[in-house]
Amino acid sequence: AQKVTQAQTEISVVEKEDVTLDCVYETRDTTYYLFWYKQPPSGELVFLIRRNSFDEQNEISGRYSWNFQKSTSSFNFTITASQVVDSAVYFCALSDFSSNTGKLIFGQGTTLQVKP
Amino acid sequence: NAGVMQNPRHLVRRRGQEARLRCSPMKGHSHVYWYRQLPEEGLKFMVYLQKENIIDESGMPKERFSAEFPKEGPSILRIQQVVRGDSAAYFCASSPPTGVNEQFFGPGTRLTVL
Repeated sequence: AQKVTQAQTEISVVEKEDVTLDCVYETRDTTYYLFWYKQPPSGELVFLIRRNSFDEQNEISGRYSWNFQKSTSSFNFTITASQVVDSAVYFCALSDFSSNTGKLIFGQGTTLQVKP
Repeated sequence: NAGVMQNPRHLVRRRGQEARLRCSPMKGHSHVYWYRQLPEEGLKFMVYLQKENIIDESGMPKERFSAEFPKEGPSILRIQQVVRGDSAAYFCASSPPTGVNEQFFGPGTRLTVL
């Protein structure tokens, strides 16, 4: 079965600390996509990244970086030098190719609190 | 190019009433997904539609919930005889016909059932 696990329910850090959000997934598909979304207190979903299963290169975008490791079925997200504005709920998601619909399977989310 | 639009943004209903949630996909998008986010939980897939067709409704509750995406107009998620447990945020996402993986989310409709 397809599944996404975000074991960290809540994380609290002080501004300027680095923080890593873990994501572990399960899938039988050989082709799939992984996503990260941010949900700030205002409630909307903000797309952060999409990564396909054939591309294991790590990606960096400003203070954000992602580490995709197929061997451990993990797609972790690191925020460097965290800021108060990073406080949000972060969701990892997996696209479901087996049903040929592309529907997303979300983890439970990690609530990140960055204190000044 | 306007993003995915959902209305209303907030909806309050009393138990037993009907709730109608609307989603206008991005221009050129013919695929629509509905997800539900219960309080303190992640998003759960409900239904996937293409114009005039329901493709996958495996996440829809068996009773009281229905969805449509007509040839003209927005997609509608309809909840009949709402109960308190239906209180949640309902998100719509759309994608173009050529790539089912690029899903763009609307701002969500927050349904409160009194």
